Amino acid sequence: DTGVSQDPRHKITKRGQNVTFRCDPISEHNRLYWYRQTLGQGPEFLTYFQNEAQLEKSRLLSDRFSAERPKGSFSTLEIQRTEQGDSAMYLCASSLESSGANVLTFGAGSRLTVL
Amino acid sequence: AQTVTQSQPEMSVQEAETVTLSCTYDTSESDYYLFWYKQPPSRQMILVIRQEAYKQQNATENRFSVNFQKAAKSFSLKISDSQLGDAAMYFCAYRRNAGGTSYGKLTFGQGTILTVHP
Repeated sequence: DTGVSQDPRHKITKRGQNVTFRCDPISEHNRLYWYRQTLGQGPEFLTYFQNEAQLEKSRLLSDRFSAERPKGSFSTLEIQRTEQGDSAMYLCASSLESSGANVLTFGAGSRLTVL
Repeated sequence: AQTVTQSQPEMSVQEAETVTLSCTYDTSESDYYLFWYKQPPSRQMILVIRQEAYKQQNATENRFSVNFQKAAKSFSLKISDSQLGDAAMYFCAYRRNAGGTSYGKLTFGQGTILTVHP
């Protein structure tokens, strides 16, 4: 298993364009999380899935953001009509529900730059 | 809402010396986990150590140990025999341990950049 994979690693886009990020979790993990991290700050929770069900969404996740995990495996995070304030690192993490402390394993992140 | 505060934006240490990173948190819960994560430059975040609030004994993982003061809501990380590879951003994180939809969601502090001098 290669861990949590995220693609693309870096995306540069113009304001107003749509972008989509993909996350492939560790295969046996049933929980998947999206976080946003701005420069010099700690990650902020966006949303999480248990299998294919999206169980919680942060108020940070405006109507322009949508996340899916259609078959309970990989997940996508789409940002529509990007704004400069969306520039950040988008982190994906996964975990196994029954693993006691429910330790999250993070991917390397997808960095978004909105010009 | 839970908050996590790391009051040291930057810390430095000489190789082979010991350094302590501070973290305080605020919660009304009694059952929770605390974590320290390490984020090297341009690399993924990895777990360093975790502590369950109900356990009195401080967690230890090789050169890394914590000082967990539940009443004071303090959770510091001590790195002994610092190595160049320890240089990274360190995040303290909190997670409540109850069931329900918040299970697994981490609240992070602002981070502390650790520099290790040879």
